[in-house]
Amino acid sequence: GQNIDQPTEMTATEGAIVQINCTYQTSGFNGLFWYQQHAGEAPTFLSYNVLDGLEEKGRFSSFLSRSKGYSYLLLKELQMKDSASYLCAVKDSNYQLIWGAGTKLIIKP
Amino acid sequence: NAGVTQTPKFRVLKTGQSMTLLCAQDMNHEYMYWYRQDPGMGLRLIHYSVGEGTTAKGEVPDGYNVSRLKKQNFLLGLESAAPSQTSVYFCASREDRVTGELFFGEGSRLTVL
Repeated sequence: GQNIDQPTEMTATEGAIVQINCTYQTSGFNGLFWYQQHAGEAPTFLSYNVLDGLEEKGRFSSFLSRSKGYSYLLLKELQMKDSASYLCAVKDSNYQLIWGAGTKLIIKP
Repeated sequence: NAGVTQTPKFRVLKTGQSMTLLCAQDMNHEYMYWYRQDPGMGLRLIHYSVGEGTTAKGEVPDGYNVSRLKKQNFLLGLESAAPSQTSVYFCASREDRVTGELFFGEGSRLTVL
């Protein structure tokens, strides 16, 4: 079967750094997405990794290791508005997206 | 720039009633998708379309039907609603299946009593 694992919930402090992990077991791999979803809203695109390594985009970075079936999303200088769920999704051999259940990130002042 | 628009945003149905959710996108995307999102679970694919006039089953298609008569519209139908179909439904589209990111509509919250 296909499986995406993420922690259910994480808590961090405003101004700090947090790392959200995602491990996957899928039939093939054609890329990994991270999406942000605020409560009651639609998911919005954050990052896309298809090759190993780190992709940096402002305060957000995403890392991929295909050999380990592992990715993480790194959020720096946390702000209250970063309180949201973060969804990891892997594109399988048929280019279909397999979604994790999401990680709810709570930011405390 | 509307992007992906879903209607209605909220709906309450009684068991056995039927309804249609409409998704419209103005980005000329070929690929369109219907997902449902339930607490504690990842987004699950109901049906999808790879172009005008085409539809295909996803992970959880039972109890739903779809149509894509026009490229910009993707309709999701519930013929006889059941309480298990209480969920938030998201429509999404993308330009191509290889590199394109998904663009989501705002979601439609459906409650079946």
